[in-house]
Amino acid sequence: SYELIQPPSVSVSPGQTATITCSGDNLGNKYVCWYQQKPGQSPVLVIYQDTNRPSGIPERFSGSNSGNTATLTISGTQAMDEADYYCQAWDSSTANYVFGTGTKVTVL
Amino acid sequence: EVQLVESGGGLVQPGGSLKLSCAASGFTFSGSAMHWVRQASGKGLEWVGRIRSKTNNHATEYAAPVKGRFTISRDDSENTAFLQMNNLKTEDTAVYYCTRLAGSSDYGMDVWGQGTTVTVSS
Repeated sequence: SYELIQPPSVSVSPGQTATITCSGDNLGNKYVCWYQQKPGQSPVLVIYQDTNRPSGIPERFSGSNSGNTATLTISGTQAMDEADYYCQAWDSSTANYVFGTGTKVTVL
Repeated sequence: EVQLVESGGGLVQPGGSLKLSCAASGFTFSGSAMHWVRQASGKGLEWVGRIRSKTNNHATEYAAPVKGRFTISRDDSENTAFLQMNNLKTEDTAVYYCTRLAGSSDYGMDVWGQGTTVTVSS
């Protein structure tokens, strides 16, 4: 089955840039979405179709996808961005949706 | 307000059954594909399955761990999706979320319910 691998944790200082990677076989040939989940809350979609932000998501969230790696970048990270982040893609070979392993972002 | 509200969670013994409901409001439910995603305590998100819209013949797909045991259905007249879970195992213990796919498979899941907790234990 298709797998998406993320680093377990990323630490960033306030105001700096956080980079979260998501790795999968030929991932650049698929569209990737990203979700933010804060403790005790439901996930929130922050990026879809690799690079697009839903309405209401701050501009500091951006995404890219090429080769085997998709990336979520948080520029000017704020304390409120501390959360778990999950990438997600659709595997056309199985018609299944796949979530990444998740990354905990800590703002120090 | 666009909203999804799950219900039906609870404690069930291994081998038992449970049916979850997801009530939708604030959007055209009949035109939306609906998904179920679960999350075990302290773990990551796991896709469970989906049901497409009537336009796509209400087609369903399931993740391998639940295929043959879980069934997703919908009642467009009641704006409600369902997850029937049979032959439950301890590893099915999780918070179950109902979500809406924003458009095609590329658009992501843009609306999530608050989740309902399923505990499988003797």
